[in-house]
Amino acid sequence: SAVISQKPSRDICQRGTSLTIQCQVDSQVTMMFWYRQQPGQSLTLIATANQGSEATYESGFVIDKFPISRPNLTFSTLTVSNMSPEDSSIYLCSVVTGLLYTFGSGTRLTVV
Amino acid sequence: GIQVEQSPPDLILQEGANSTLRCNFSDSVNNLQWFHQNPWGQLINLFYIPSGTKQNGRLSATTVATERYSLLYISSSQTTDSGVYFCAVVDNAGNMLTFGGGTRLMVKP
Repeated sequence: SAVISQKPSRDICQRGTSLTIQCQVDSQVTMMFWYRQQPGQSLTLIATANQGSEATYESGFVIDKFPISRPNLTFSTLTVSNMSPEDSSIYLCSVVTGLLYTFGSGTRLTVV
Repeated sequence: GIQVEQSPPDLILQEGANSTLRCNFSDSVNNLQWFHQNPWGQLINLFYIPSGTKQNGRLSATTVATERYSLLYISSSQTTDSGVYFCAVVDNAGNMLTFGGGTRLMVKP
């Protein structure tokens, strides 16, 4: 299975600012996924990022709030823009290799 | 979209006890995985099990695809088993991994 390096592992940010989260994969993958996990909740898919095309966002998530870059087959970034306390969550990236989904170690974001 | 329900939502065990976690899903799936989320938030893959039975040490899992459920068995539980257990599936229509609500397990010494 793929190994994903995600950073930062945690951050505390001021409201109104933006944070960019990075994921680096040790192999080339077609699709990368970004999830949000609000406190005490399950994981919700934000968007799917394919290299060379615009990301596909799930209902309730918009590009202006969560812009995604996918410059090559091993790397992606998610930006959380104009943050508010409601954005405090764990953000995780994921890839699928073969049939197995693996996840980065997560970014624990607190907005104050 | 597909619905995934896990039970129980919360479980407290004494160290050494056994437990069974259940995952029901509303449609046919071509992928089912069980994950353990540790207290630091990291998701660890336990099993890829769209059908059949697998065992890994004290953990085992069974998926009955025709009846749309999967079970995760934990035997001789240890405090390090504490955390949240998630079942996640991909239906036959697409690539999106859909998560259940999780079972929050606490193992007391």
